[in-house]
Amino acid sequence: DAGITQSPRHKVTETGTPVTLRCHQTENHRYMYWYRQDPGHGLRLIHYSYGVKDTDKGEVSDGYSVSRSKTEDFLLTLESATSSQTSVYFCAIRTEDNSPLHFGNGTRLTVT
Amino acid sequence: GQNIDQPTEMTATEGAIVQINCTYQTSGFNGLFWYQQHAGEAPTFLSYNVLDGLEEKGRFSSFLSRSKGYSYLLLKELQMKDSASYLCAVRFGSNDYKLSFGAGTTVTVRA
Repeated sequence: DAGITQSPRHKVTETGTPVTLRCHQTENHRYMYWYRQDPGHGLRLIHYSYGVKDTDKGEVSDGYSVSRSKTEDFLLTLESATSSQTSVYFCAIRTEDNSPLHFGNGTRLTVT
Repeated sequence: GQNIDQPTEMTATEGAIVQINCTYQTSGFNGLFWYQQHAGEAPTFLSYNVLDGLEEKGRFSSFLSRSKGYSYLLLKELQMKDSASYLCAVRFGSNDYKLSFGAGTTVTVRA
């Protein structure tokens, strides 16, 4: 257990509403990541962070923003949710160079 | 993203051996990871290869050939609990740490 908690675990929301997903870690790791997982596509990187207030885009960042004001929290916001953002969202942390990613338990988001 | 290819599904019998192949483009390669993911759960790390050759961890082994852009995960003495999706992930480049994932191979173990 890498001490990663994602909240909420499940959420249903309507198209056009803003949604924020939270990833919390207890071990002060520097690197944090947000992925989405969809059938046939595997895990795709949305945004990542390499320190407080240091973030960068991944391959599917359109429609998403992130914030990291504290080491332990990495927030993912869908500014105006769309049905194409229905997915399972995973947060991950990395402890050091070349170490594997450790994933949280995921958030299942449904946009109706 | 980078093209990482692995078979969609494989089926094997309890006690048998299954080999899951993964191919990727070689340009910029900087390490390959295998993850296991049970249905409805998070991916968990299995193995890491950055140099050519075989890495063995109990019933699971992973092989890498950098020149061929090829890896495989070998599962021996299959157990029912090995039924899961197996994800191949490649790190490209050295300046940052972004993993590109294949779509995963679903392995079904039958009695």
